[in-house]
Amino acid sequence: DTGVSQDPRHKITKRGQNVTFRCDPISEHNRLYWYRQTLGQGPEFLTYFQNEAQLEKSRLLSDRFSAERPKGSFSTLEIQRTEQGDSAMYLCASSFWTASSPLHFGNGTRLTVT
Amino acid sequence: QKEVEQNSGPLSVPEGAIASLNCTYSDRVSQSFFWYRQYSGKSPELIMSIYSNGDKEDGRFTAQLNKASQYVSLLIRDSQPSDSATYLCAVIGNNAGNMLTFGGGTRLMVKP
Repeated sequence: DTGVSQDPRHKITKRGQNVTFRCDPISEHNRLYWYRQTLGQGPEFLTYFQNEAQLEKSRLLSDRFSAERPKGSFSTLEIQRTEQGDSAMYLCASSFWTASSPLHFGNGTRLTVT
Repeated sequence: QKEVEQNSGPLSVPEGAIASLNCTYSDRVSQSFFWYRQYSGKSPELIMSIYSNGDKEDGRFTAQLNKASQYVSLLIRDSQPSDSATYLCAVIGNNAGNMLTFGGGTRLMVKP
């Protein structure tokens, strides 16, 4: 399978705990994006990487959130001191760097903070 | 005003009918427009892209773009129950990173 892969698919954690999600993009893509989606809403942009460089972060990405893409391949998104409001689907997507290239999404990680 | 707006629905159509989904956007310099389909509990799946004014057809799907009026629409002909999903309109605005801005989605229900 050469699509975008995310792990885990589901994560249940208690408030205050740290969680980390992983995304493996399509291998030919050098751009990787993280989005968050809550029930009944469209996905909201969080951050993106071109190769290993994190080029933009949304104001939604508070200082409890950190994302890395150390070798320009897979990426991790960590949430520290989780809050109930962090409960959402976290979506990873990848694309070519060329203008207007569409984004291809992974299956997402559903986070539930209790 | 939201950057990308869609009627949340649900839009209910009978099987075999044409479903018409609409989207407006606020950033006049937007150049790239996409429709994604999202089944409940699943991730968005790209179904159409359109970059120029006019119509673009792909099978039962037709995307329409009018940049002067800042709207983009999706027509689904011969709607099937399997088309029942949320349809997300997405726009690449004035940014270098190809970041998509999504509308809230329109839920489509196709009744047999």
